[in-house]
Amino acid sequence: DQQVKQNSPSLSVQEGRISILNCDYTNSMFDYFLWYKKYPAEGPTFLISISSIKDKNEDGRFTVFLNKSAKHLSLHIVPSQPGDSAVYFCAASDADSNYQLIWGAGTKLIIKP
Amino acid sequence: NAGVTQTPKFRVLKTGQSMTLLCAQDMNHEYMYWYRQDPGMGLRLIHYSVGEGTTAKGEVPDGYNVSRLKKQNFLLGLESAAPSQTSVYFCASSAWDGTGETQYFGPGTRLLVL
Repeated sequence: DQQVKQNSPSLSVQEGRISILNCDYTNSMFDYFLWYKKYPAEGPTFLISISSIKDKNEDGRFTVFLNKSAKHLSLHIVPSQPGDSAVYFCAASDADSNYQLIWGAGTKLIIKP
Repeated sequence: NAGVTQTPKFRVLKTGQSMTLLCAQDMNHEYMYWYRQDPGMGLRLIHYSVGEGTTAKGEVPDGYNVSRLKKQNFLLGLESAAPSQTSVYFCASSAWDGTGETQYFGPGTRLLVL
């Protein structure tokens, strides 16, 4: 059973517009959520995180929103740039499992010029 | 700081052969991890370590062994490679950022088992 789901395998967005990537989870014990970005032939790169005590965290063009009641988080990128084209993974963890990360399958974001 | 490095970058093995993948980190992190990534799937945890001399099984440990003899190194071994172990392997180390463990990844090792 997938505990972390990214239901959109790919997303295409015009340069300059907002990109919204979504992630759903099933385990209510998760208390820490992260987004990673991955380019081909490279390792994932940490982007932004959020604790379950918050509902929003911002870092420059990137904002993560957490809706605990819906068990849903989203990553907003504004404005989208060509260099944002990559695969984005969301991941979740909880203290009881030694903070092991459970990963979604990823969403490929394509920014069109 | 080199961060997390992995050796080798790419390897081809025949079924039944053995090999060791080396991961090194220079960030003095306690926790280290080995993942595999297969097409269309998220990363799956193979083994992890919470400190020098300790190791623990992750989600998909069968067919792999690990050792953490030094804090900065985490080795992943395949004793008898199988085609099902064809994958991209990522190593990571993590640091506590005040609210949770954030993992930092190496560039990956592509393994092809024929």
